[in-house]
Amino acid sequence: AQSVAQPEDQVNVAEGNPLTVKCTYSVSGNPYLFWYVQYPNRGLQFLLKYITGDNLVKGSYGFEAEFNKSQTSFHLKKPSALVSDSALYFCAVRDLSTDRGSTLGRLYFGRGTQLTVWP
Amino acid sequence: DVKVTQSSRYLVKRTGEKVFLECVQDMDHENMFWYRQDPGLGLRLIYFSYDVKMKEKGDIPEGYSVSREKKERFSLILESASTNQTSMYLCASTSAGTTYEQYFGPGTRLTVT
Repeated sequence: AQSVAQPEDQVNVAEGNPLTVKCTYSVSGNPYLFWYVQYPNRGLQFLLKYITGDNLVKGSYGFEAEFNKSQTSFHLKKPSALVSDSALYFCAVRDLSTDRGSTLGRLYFGRGTQLTVWP
Repeated sequence: DVKVTQSSRYLVKRTGEKVFLECVQDMDHENMFWYRQDPGLGLRLIYFSYDVKMKEKGDIPEGYSVSREKKERFSLILESASTNQTSMYLCASTSAGTTYEQYFGPGTRLTVT
């Protein structure tokens, strides 16, 4: 069965400090991994994805994430946090072994991590 | 620019009413999804569709049905709304056979009283 865990409901960090939002996953086959951000009363916005290749992927707004296959993790990072980064962050996985030849594109989401950056 | 639109941002309905939530995408995507989002529970998949008139149940289909008569439009139907269906509903779409991410609409916050 597929699952995504975001072990922290909340992450608080001071502006200018580095931030990390954690994500671990469990799938049967090879994963595609995604991070999304949600601002209040809005839909989800795509930040970045890991498909294959370099384990460090860069995305929007200065965010990056590191894929670690041995630890089945995909942590989101940013070197210097901004107050405007405060939002709800979701990690998601796509399990290619159940994706019917990559036709469905179904994602499994974590429960989300509320990031608060204080001035 | 890619676009997924939902018919209402906010909706208030009474218990027992039939409720229609509409989602339209302009990207010619094959796959469309309906989620509900509740605090602490993340996104839970209700139904998805991989082609016109084709649908599959997600993780929480009870109390919901869907309709996809045209490729660009995917409707979520609450046959008889109940208070436990008060939630944020999110629609998403993606292209089949690619590594593309899902694109989300702005969401509909439904309140059932």
